Amino acid sequence: DTEVTQTPKHLVMGMTNKKSLKCEQHMGHRAMYWYKQKAKKPPELMFVYSYEKLSINESVPSRFSPECPNSSLLNLHLHALQPEDSALYLCASSQATDSNQPQHFGDGTRLSIL
Amino acid sequence: AQKITQTQPGMFVQEKEAVTLDCTYDTSDQSYGLFWYKQPSSGEMIFLIYQGSYDEQNATEGRYSLNFQKARKSANLVISASQLGDSAMYFCAMREGEEYGNKLVFGAGTILRVKS
Repeated sequence: DTEVTQTPKHLVMGMTNKKSLKCEQHMGHRAMYWYKQKAKKPPELMFVYSYEKLSINESVPSRFSPECPNSSLLNLHLHALQPEDSALYLCASSQATDSNQPQHFGDGTRLSIL
Repeated sequence: AQKITQTQPGMFVQEKEAVTLDCTYDTSDQSYGLFWYKQPSSGEMIFLIYQGSYDEQNATEGRYSLNFQKARKSANLVISASQLGDSAMYFCAMREGEEYGNKLVFGAGTILRVKS
């Protein structure tokens, strides 16, 4: 079991739906991340939160909207997604963005857009 | 230019033998960290081992060791006594300093298959 919990594990949604991905960690980490991973490719960074503030947005389309309600939770709100957005979405956390401690990843949410 | 290069798309190894997965990196930063992650087919990314740019000794974690050659900018992962459960995708990653946003950049990955 990972120390970063992501829900749901699988999500199928239509292009007009609104859904949210959730991520939770209780390791006291102050940095949290969203990555997108296509099959047989490396993870691609989407967003970084540092001390609950958005510090990096890698030019992600506005149909993806991150939210960090508190230091333990990270959400990714989805709206009007496209078929090419189907992927594995990974959440990670680390002590801080400038720490050489590793990022700990959740199991991911497999998202399919119909 | 690619920051992290993993030249082996796929590797096979016989059970109980050792295997080396290659990783070279490119950075002008003096302070950086190198990480290896394992990703089984189920999807979770599992941290294996870390090497800091200033670390004198090669990192070791159980059956995993990192062959760090700073002058050659290589950070190869050595897995000893391979097990069937080692079959997975392996990613080398580098974290550069604040000037580069402290981001973790991944290589393309190497798929390892352990044969019985």
